Amino acid sequence: DTAVSQTPKYLVTQMGNDKSIKCEQNLGHDTMYWYKQDSKKFLKIMFSYNNKELIINETVPNRFSPKSPDKAHLNLHINSLELGDSAVYFCASSQLNREEYTFGSGTRLTVV
Amino acid sequence: AQTVTQSQPEMSVQEAETVTLSCTYDTSESDYYLFWYKQPPSRQMILVIRQEAYKQQNATENRFSVNFQKAAKSFSLKISDSQLGDAAMYFCAFHDTGRRALTFGSGTRLQVQP
Repeated sequence: DTAVSQTPKYLVTQMGNDKSIKCEQNLGHDTMYWYKQDSKKFLKIMFSYNNKELIINETVPNRFSPKSPDKAHLNLHINSLELGDSAVYFCASSQLNREEYTFGSGTRLTVV
Repeated sequence: AQTVTQSQPEMSVQEAETVTLSCTYDTSESDYYLFWYKQPPSRQMILVIRQEAYKQQNATENRFSVNFQKAAKSFSLKISDSQLGDAAMYFCAFHDTGRRALTFGSGTRLQVQP
């Protein structure tokens, strides 16, 4: 009964590969997000979706492509992985007018 | 654009003592929310406390309380009766209702000494 679940929790892959991280929330929230936490622990928003519509698209390489098949899912696909993509990626969700965020447990991506 | 500044990269406190973590922010918005999140080594982001900008009363959650100074754009977290389990990274975060996203500070690593 996890509220926001991400898979996989760990991902080790070689440079140049394409990989996806999946996120699902069962809270009925209308907005989902991807945040990136770098090696210095700094957290920054990458994307947000509201009811399957892209709302925020920060300055992120276009190798990163979010996809939201429905409002309960937001997946992150990364093409041509680079060493600098190594980070922890967090999925989160929130509900309008409640402004409370629930985070997934994160996916640690290591590119070798 | 909003910015959030945490000027203390690391703090240390003795068990059972009180510690205050600092946070300042910059915004031109009038309607916003402020949060403190705890991130233990498990990396889970855990909400500690939440403050709505229109409320003058400081938020309190058990041993955790904030000192919210809206005019000064300051939002500090006080942890009373510190416990070993409080050791973690603490992030201050700003949410503006228009953009609907969190902007985080750089974090403060809190150590609790037995």
